[in-house]
Amino acid sequence: KQEVTQIPAALSVPEGENLVLNCSFTDSAIYNLQWFRQDPGKGLTSLLLIQSSQREQTSGRLNASLDKSSGRSTLYIAASQPGDSATYLCAVRAGGYNKLIFGAGTRLAVHP
Amino acid sequence: DGGITQSPKYLFRKEGQNVTLSCEQNLNHDAMYWYRQDPGQGLRLIYYSQIVNDFQKGDIAEGYSVSREKKESFPLTVTSAQKNPTAFYLCASSIPPQVSGRKNEQFFGPGTRLTVL
Repeated sequence: KQEVTQIPAALSVPEGENLVLNCSFTDSAIYNLQWFRQDPGKGLTSLLLIQSSQREQTSGRLNASLDKSSGRSTLYIAASQPGDSATYLCAVRAGGYNKLIFGAGTRLAVHP
Repeated sequence: DGGITQSPKYLFRKEGQNVTLSCEQNLNHDAMYWYRQDPGQGLRLIYYSQIVNDFQKGDIAEGYSVSREKKESFPLTVTSAQKNPTAFYLCASSIPPQVSGRKNEQFFGPGTRLTVL
C-alpha cells in the first residue's frame, strides 16, 4: 500500500532563507508526483508536476526534484518570502484512474 | 474565467440530516473527484468520476453518495450514515489519463467546510 510522508511537519524560517521540503513514498511505481500549496481554509493550488521519467521541474523560485528509485522528492524554495507561508502538500499518482495519494503536508511560516 | 466552484463555503448539519455539497467546473474536464481533509492530515479520496453517468468509490466512500448527470457538475451528498462528517471537503477535476497521458494534473476548488451541530 502506497504511503506518503512529509518531513518536517512544520517549519519556521526568517525571510530570505533557501529551504527544502521533503516528501517520501513507499512504492516507486508511480506515474507522477505533484506539489501543491494550500493557504488556511482554502483549496489547493498546483505548483509543480513531475512525471516519473523526469528528474526535476522548475517554476520561478521553486524547484522540485524526483528520485523515484529511492522514493523521494524535494521542493526547494529559493529566497523565501512571507507570502510563501502556507501548507505544502505532495501527492503521488498511482493506478490507472488517476488516484492521488497525499502526504499530511508541511506547514511553512516565513517571518520578516 | 475558467475554474472550479464549490458551494456553500460553510455548511452546518444537524444529526440525522443529509446535506449536499455542490461542485461545478467550466474547464471542460471529463474527470472529477471528491476528497476529504481532516486537520493535520492529507486528503483522502471519497468518490471519483471519469465520465458522465459513471462514478467509482474511493478509499472512504461509506456514508457518502454522488451523481454525475452533467459533465460540469459532480455533487456530493453526505448522508446520515456518515458517522463523523465534520471535515473540509475538496472537489477536483482533470483531463483523464486516456487523453492526457501520464501528465494528468488535478485542479482543485476552494472547498466546503462541513460542521455537524
